[in-house]
Amino acid sequence: DAKTTQPNSMESNEEEPVHLPCNHSTISGTDYIHWYRQLPSQGPEYVIHGLTSNVNNRMASLAIAEDRKSSTLILHRATLRDAAVYYCIRGANDMRFGAGTRLTVKP
Amino acid sequence: DTGVSQDPRHKITKRGQNVTFRCDPISEHNRLYWYRQTLGQGPEFLTYFQNEAQLEKSRLLSDRFSAERPKGSFSTLEIQRTEQGDSAMYLCASSLITWAGGPQPQHFGDGTRLSIL
Repeated sequence: DAKTTQPNSMESNEEEPVHLPCNHSTISGTDYIHWYRQLPSQGPEYVIHGLTSNVNNRMASLAIAEDRKSSTLILHRATLRDAAVYYCIRGANDMRFGAGTRLTVKP
Repeated sequence: DTGVSQDPRHKITKRGQNVTFRCDPISEHNRLYWYRQTLGQGPEFLTYFQNEAQLEKSRLLSDRFSAERPKGSFSTLEIQRTEQGDSAMYLCASSLITWAGGPQPQHFGDGTRLSIL
């Protein structure tokens, strides 16, 4: 039970923003929201995480709904190298990955 | 490169054989995690260590699976009497946990791909 829901796939055009949604309606008050991505033949790579407030780093932004039941990962300008499977995970030590969203970036 | 390294990258073995994988975490990291990933699915948590102590094990980790981290540095994952269903990518990750705040990012290796003939 991954406890998060994401679309199976999304497409984006290169250099355009991408908004990847995630639902986590049963999230508890102490659960963080983590995002990782995985390129083919590689292990997952950390993207960003947050608890309540929106977060920004060099890779992406994380927008968390006020009720924390959903969040959105924002890639501000998609590049071809951003094509990957993106995983939204709630929890702490024992992260439960779902099947993620496969992002395709078109040139 | 000082990232997480896993050895071997690929392992092919016959059903019923035992296999052992090794993970070398980032040197200062005190937490080490093992995951299993099958094709088209996200990684499934198996177990994690803080230093040498194994703090949590998933129900997925049957009696045939055992993990160790004897000196709090590298870790091994052994599968005894392998079965066809054990074919998967086995991923290791590490992180540095301090008492100052929330969870820290997990850094993953590129995994060991196990194929059972």
